[in-house]
Amino acid sequence: KAGVTQTPRYLIKTRGQQVTLSCSPISGHRSVSWYQQTPGQGLQFLFEYFSETQRNKGNFPGRFSGRQFSNSRSEMNVSTLELGDSALYLCASSWQSGSSYNEQFFGPGTRLTVL
Amino acid sequence: GIQVEQSPPDLILQEGANSTLRCNFSDSVNNLQWFHQNPWGQLINLFYIPSGTKQNGRLSATTVATERYSLLYISSSQTTDSGVYFCAVVPRKDSNYQLIWGAGTKLIIKP
Repeated sequence: KAGVTQTPRYLIKTRGQQVTLSCSPISGHRSVSWYQQTPGQGLQFLFEYFSETQRNKGNFPGRFSGRQFSNSRSEMNVSTLELGDSALYLCASSWQSGSSYNEQFFGPGTRLTVL
Repeated sequence: GIQVEQSPPDLILQEGANSTLRCNFSDSVNNLQWFHQNPWGQLINLFYIPSGTKQNGRLSATTVATERYSLLYISSSQTTDSGVYFCAVVPRKDSNYQLIWGAGTKLIIKP
């Protein structure tokens, strides 16, 4: 079974631009969560999508948004990029949502650099 | 909210050595996972272990839920074991059901 895939793997953008990252979950998984990892803040939860609906959201500004398609693939978008948005963005998939017993599986990440 | 503390923060060992990594959490959890993040950033699932003991090759893990800690054992370390080891939990009382992460243990295995 193929794992979680994320594209692109690396991105370089300049301040003020916007960016879209993509995540394809493990086949059969319907929940996709996004996390941001920075050296200073560690791993932080951005949001979760299940059946094309945002189920949960972390404490990030509205510049961070996402969506999920009917095939469970998810995209996240960051508008008006700031230097502090430079980070590794990780996507995780799990079988279901709304349960604390789910095991999450992670993709390889997208490393975003904002200049 | 729940606190997740990992120790030690850094660990340097010679190849072949054994190690024990610890994760303490401040409240009851329904989910606890151990991950290995390799130098390229990939998070690799090691164990899903909210309680009990599991083994997978040279790695094993034990979670004592009543005492709110988990241990990850690595035996006969290899250089490929280098990286950062994370413990992440889902608190029992959390309606978001999302992982709360420790700060990680950075492991360096020298040849």
